[in-house]
Amino acid sequence: DGGITQSPKYLFRKEGQNVTLSCEQNLNHDAMYWYRQDPGQGLRLIYYSQIVNDFQKGDIAEGYSVSREKKESFPLTVTSAQKNPTAFYLCATKTIQGATEAFFGQGTRLTVV
Amino acid sequence: GEDVEQSLFLSVREGDSSVINCTYTDSSSTYLYWYKQEPGAGLQLLTYIFSNMDMKQDQRLTVLLNKKDKHLSLRIADTQTGDSAIYFCAETDNAGNMLTFGGGTRLMVKP
Repeated sequence: DGGITQSPKYLFRKEGQNVTLSCEQNLNHDAMYWYRQDPGQGLRLIYYSQIVNDFQKGDIAEGYSVSREKKESFPLTVTSAQKNPTAFYLCATKTIQGATEAFFGQGTRLTVV
Repeated sequence: GEDVEQSLFLSVREGDSSVINCTYTDSSSTYLYWYKQEPGAGLQLLTYIFSNMDMKQDQRLTVLLNKKDKHLSLRIADTQTGDSAIYFCAETDNAGNMLTFGGGTRLMVKP
């Protein structure tokens, strides 16, 4: 089944812990993105990657880290430096050029307990 | 940077038309998109339009683009309760790589 898989769907984190959100795709897309969505708000870009072993900061990268060791995978780590991590996290992929559709995963809801 | 603005909320009766509006600031926007998000889910692309077009129709959906005023709208004809969702406007830069989203418009359809 083709598409984007985000896991887990729900994640609980204790104060001071790092957690990693998974995003895997089998669409052969070069570009991958992480967005954060807060209740009643739009999507804000955290990090993106257009090629393996390269990534760029988005608008709200502080307190987050990513890696892109494989084309299929773009994990996001929410570090203890992120002071308000409770949110809905969405991963997206896209081909590099043109008006192509960005495909979204089903999201991970992270809650700090 | 780029800015995309939408109204927060729209309520319509079932069977009426819905019009969701969006404004953007980036004059170099190349492609403009409408996405739909149902509760607890990811975003689903509804339609997109090239910046050199002014209208696109796809079944119940009509997209209008006024490039001079940097205004984009999505019209849903014969709105159904299943259309209740959050609708996001988005635009890409010249290279088509970055997506900038508006804050989303929550559409509520009353029976």
